[in-house]
Amino acid sequence: DADVTQTPRNRITKTGKRIMLECSQTKGHDRMYWYRQDPGLGLRLIYYSFDVKDINKGEISDGYSVSRQAQAKFSLSLESAIPNQTALYFCATSDPLRTGGNTGELFFGEGSRLTVL
Amino acid sequence: AQSVAQPEDQVNVAEGNPLTVKCTYSVSGNPYLFWYVQYPNRGLQFLLKYITGDNLVKGSYGFEAEFNKSQTSFHLKKPSALVSDSALYFCAVRDYKLSFGAGTTVTVRA
Repeated sequence: DADVTQTPRNRITKTGKRIMLECSQTKGHDRMYWYRQDPGLGLRLIYYSFDVKDINKGEISDGYSVSRQAQAKFSLSLESAIPNQTALYFCATSDPLRTGGNTGELFFGEGSRLTVL
Repeated sequence: AQSVAQPEDQVNVAEGNPLTVKCTYSVSGNPYLFWYVQYPNRGLQFLLKYITGDNLVKGSYGFEAEFNKSQTSFHLKKPSALVSDSALYFCAVRDYKLSFGAGTTVTVRA
């Protein structure tokens, strides 16, 4: 089984609909992230969470919300989807970056491809 | 703010030839630099990282990267490319989060 699991893998929806993308992990990491990938733009950070009680906005949080239900679960919601939110969404996890210790590389899920018509 | 740039959208090489994917960085303080690879319809996979120490870093699948402080570069290299190396490659820099470059599509022709 994958360490970082995203559901659904593919979703087509209509403008104005509410969408939730879910992420669960078995790596035991405290830190979880949601990124969005668009061609030619790389990955951009939407939200991140350093523990269950800590939620932070990333570069492009407008139009999105998140919920950290447990250490292992981090969901991304689009309250009212619009076509320019059509993208590939990635969840990732990591340990903290520590001098002399863990170097904080991210572990990614397989992605959720969202199409908003 | 910390950032990386990948100046080439695409790199095309013949199988067996050396492969280089370029990355430059802009950071305050010591850089924590990473390379990831994305195969079609897959998530990103970690290749290698530079934290401190030797400027030549060895990673997965025969890849290595050279950290050059004076040129603020962290180029990814492979001495002999394979068709299976065709993928999208991302350079990234880490502070509290990972900031990615736009990506470079590598095509290795047989």
